[in-house]
Amino acid sequence: AQSVAQPEDQVNVAEGNPLTVKCTYSVSGNPYLFWYVQYPNRGLQFLLKYITGDNLVKGSYGFEAEFNKSQTSFHLKKPSALVSDSALYFCAVSPYSSASKIIFGSGTRLSIRP
Amino acid sequence: EAQVTQNPRYLITVTGKKLTVTCSQNMNHEYMSWYRQDPGLGLRQIYYSMNVEVTDKGDVPEGYKVSRKEKRNFPLILESPSPNQTSLYFCASSSTKGGENTIYFGEGSWLTVV
Repeated sequence: AQSVAQPEDQVNVAEGNPLTVKCTYSVSGNPYLFWYVQYPNRGLQFLLKYITGDNLVKGSYGFEAEFNKSQTSFHLKKPSALVSDSALYFCAVSPYSSASKIIFGSGTRLSIRP
Repeated sequence: EAQVTQNPRYLITVTGKKLTVTCSQNMNHEYMSWYRQDPGLGLRQIYYSMNVEVTDKGDVPEGYKVSRKEKRNFPLILESPSPNQTSLYFCASSSTKGGENTIYFGEGSWLTVV
């Protein structure tokens, strides 16, 4: 079965420190991988995606993610966290080029303390 | 500005009273879908549509109906709402034209069924 796993419900990081939010997936073929962020009472905002090419993908707000095919992972990273990065982050995978169906992880709440 | 617009944003209704959540997108996307977000479960797809008059079930379609009479609109219909349909609902649209592959989400509709 196709699935996405975010093993951490919550990640706590001090401001200025690097952060990592983990994501692993199980999809046949070549998946399309995404990260979305959700701020309180808001919809999902697109951060970045991996379709093909360079394994390190850069996205919005200084975030980046590294695609690792052998480990089937797509971890989200940022070199220096900001308090404003505190939000709910979702990893997602689409098994189809159309992105008509996207499978979400359960979400990781990122909390950045001043 | 590219937008996916949902209405209403907040609704409290009673069991069995039919309701419709509207969704409209201004990007001429061919794909549209509905998701529900529940704590610890991430987002799960309810229904999706690949174009006008073409719809299909997602992962959790029970208790919901959709229609796609126009490209820009994709309403979600709850014929007889029940308390287990209390959730946060997101409409989304996407396209593969020009290599887009990105899904755009509405701001969400909070639905409470009492």
